[in-house]
Amino acid sequence: GAVVSQHPSWVICKSGTSVKIECRSLDFQATTMFWYRQFPKQSLMLMATSNEGSKATYEQGVEKDKFLINHASLTLSTLTVTSAHPEDSSFYICSARRTGGGGTEAFFGQGTRLTVV
Amino acid sequence: SQELEQSPQSLIVQEGKNLTINCTSSKTLYGLYWYKQKYGEGLIFLMMLQKGGEEKSHEKITAKLDEKKQQSSLHITASQPSHAGIYLCGADTAGTASKLTFGTGTRLQVTL
Repeated sequence: GAVVSQHPSWVICKSGTSVKIECRSLDFQATTMFWYRQFPKQSLMLMATSNEGSKATYEQGVEKDKFLINHASLTLSTLTVTSAHPEDSSFYICSARRTGGGGTEAFFGQGTRLTVV
Repeated sequence: SQELEQSPQSLIVQEGKNLTINCTSSKTLYGLYWYKQKYGEGLIFLMMLQKGGEEKSHEKITAKLDEKKQQSSLHITASQPSHAGIYLCGADTAGTASKLTFGTGTRLQVTL
């Protein structure tokens, strides 16, 4: 099956610094990728939709200047948490849908655990 | 209220017992996805349902989508410790096929 890889798997950073998380579709092209956030013992909440070659679409309540998304190619989307604070500590996970081919399955990365100290 | 309600929130069953997890949407579903997650890890795709009345099975797990396409159930037969984890239903209510709204999850523990 299709593989989506996220990097890093976990990261610890100091408060005030920025952290970049990568989401790659390894064996298929993805025009659209999605970024989710998950707090402990809670479900996934969609943060934004990443569109290749255009601006991301953010869900209500998500600060676009705080969570910068870049989808520069058909296989890579990045999420940058800028000026991270402890409340940004969370599990971030991306998903991607294969472009074309009639596929409807959403493939998820393995997630990135961010801890801001 | 939540767009997607999942029940129960947690479940403890003895090994070998059957169990059912339900997922109810306030909107008509274009697609309903079931995933399993171990805490702090990525999602493992289990099954996708699209047609009213559809039923799919994989090993000891069966998922159904009702005729009205607003409710789905996940049934595990003869549960094993390997079934333990968090089960999430994801709903496509916009026809985008991959922008999903997730239920709150069901935490399953299987005791020996």
